Amino acid sequence: KQEVTQIPAALSVPEGENLVLNCSFTDSAIYNLQWFRQDPGKGLTSLLLIQSSQREQTSGRLNASLDKSSGRSTLYIAASQPGDSATYLCAIVGGAQKLVFGQGTRLTINP
Amino acid sequence: DAGVIQSPRHEVTEMGQEVTLRCKPISGHNSLFWYRQTMMRGLELLIYFNNNVPIDDSGMPEDRFSAKMPNASFSTLKIQPSEPRDSAVYFCASSLALVGQGHYEQYFGPGTRLTVT
Repeated sequence: KQEVTQIPAALSVPEGENLVLNCSFTDSAIYNLQWFRQDPGKGLTSLLLIQSSQREQTSGRLNASLDKSSGRSTLYIAASQPGDSATYLCAIVGGAQKLVFGQGTRLTINP
Repeated sequence: DAGVIQSPRHEVTEMGQEVTLRCKPISGHNSLFWYRQTMMRGLELLIYFNNNVPIDDSGMPEDRFSAKMPNASFSTLKIQPSEPRDSAVYFCASSLALVGQGHYEQYFGPGTRLTVT
């Protein structure tokens, strides 16, 4: 059974810093990995999707990497801003479109 | 595009009552997913449909839960009878699944916050 772990559970950094969020998974037989953002009381917004054949994806200040052999993914946020404060969720697709989510990292960017 | 639409956004009901949550997927999408989010268990997939057919309902917690998708533009998740432990946020998501391709980006609705007292 696929298990997804996100570390740290919470992170607080000053504005302008670069930061890395971590995601690890137990079964390397994955189709894809997706990073989401969730604002309090809101739904999930897809940030980046990395297919199993890819090693990274970039969108603006965000860069996500994937290392299937080690069962790890990272989400790098450059030049953080207060508007980046949210919970970031990592999700693995192991087959048949089923997403398995981590518990998330609650990020706070302090002005 | 209006995105995935869910109703109601908030539902408060008493234990034992029937609850029906509704979802309208993004037009043209052929896969629909129901998730539940709680503090203790995080986000869990309950059931998903492809071309209106239930493909995997192994996440449905028990017989009190049922889901239907009568057509490509509408789905319901019903809880009967409801219990306090069903209190959670229920999300609907949709995607466009193409034959021969791996994963397809899922788009989530805003969720329905259910409170059972």
